[in-house]
Amino acid sequence: AQSVTQLGSHVSVSEGALVLLRCNYSSSVPPYLFWYVQYPNQGLQLLLKYTTGATLVKGINGFEAEFKKSETSFHLTKPSANRSDAAEYFCAVSEGTNFGNEKLTFGTGTRLTIIP
Amino acid sequence: DSGVTQTPKHLITATGQRVTLRCSPRSGDLSVYWYQQSLDQGLQFLIQYYNGEERAKGNILERFSAQQFPDLHSELNLSSLELGDSALYFCASSGGGTLHYGYTFGSGTRLTVV
Repeated sequence: AQSVTQLGSHVSVSEGALVLLRCNYSSSVPPYLFWYVQYPNQGLQLLLKYTTGATLVKGINGFEAEFKKSETSFHLTKPSANRSDAAEYFCAVSEGTNFGNEKLTFGTGTRLTIIP
Repeated sequence: DSGVTQTPKHLITATGQRVTLRCSPRSGDLSVYWYQQSLDQGLQFLIQYYNGEERAKGNILERFSAQQFPDLHSELNLSSLELGDSALYFCASSGGGTLHYGYTFGSGTRLTVV
């Protein structure tokens, strides 16, 4: 069964500093991996995804993530934090590449706080 | 606007009651997923429908049921409500057959059971 572990339920960084949110996954098949962001009182918005191909993927708002199979990791980074990045971030994995069955399993989330 | 529409946005109801949450997927998407988000359980997958058929079931209680209609909109029915059912309920949709583009989430229905 697939699972996701997000290390650190709360992360605080200074404005302009590097953002690093950690995600490790478990999957019995080559995974599809996703990062979603949730702003207060809103739904989840897709930041970026890895399905196949290049292991370094770029997403919206300057975020990127690298799929490392040997480490079963998919950490999210951004070189310079903005105040607008304050939100909750969710890592998710899917093994369900069978047609019509694409369940996503989410991590418990990391709340990112930006220190002015 | 993500293209996935959920109604109502907020719902307050009493214990023991029954409610129906509605979701209209993004145009062209055949798969609909329901998730429950609570502080103690996080995001929990409830159920998936694909083109009107149930495809996958997660941690959905027997008091809960769902269906997807021919026009592809979906409804989640919650009955005999308990205080612990208070949560955000999200609907998401995808094209079906591939997660290449990920899910698109609606803005959710916040259910409060009093």
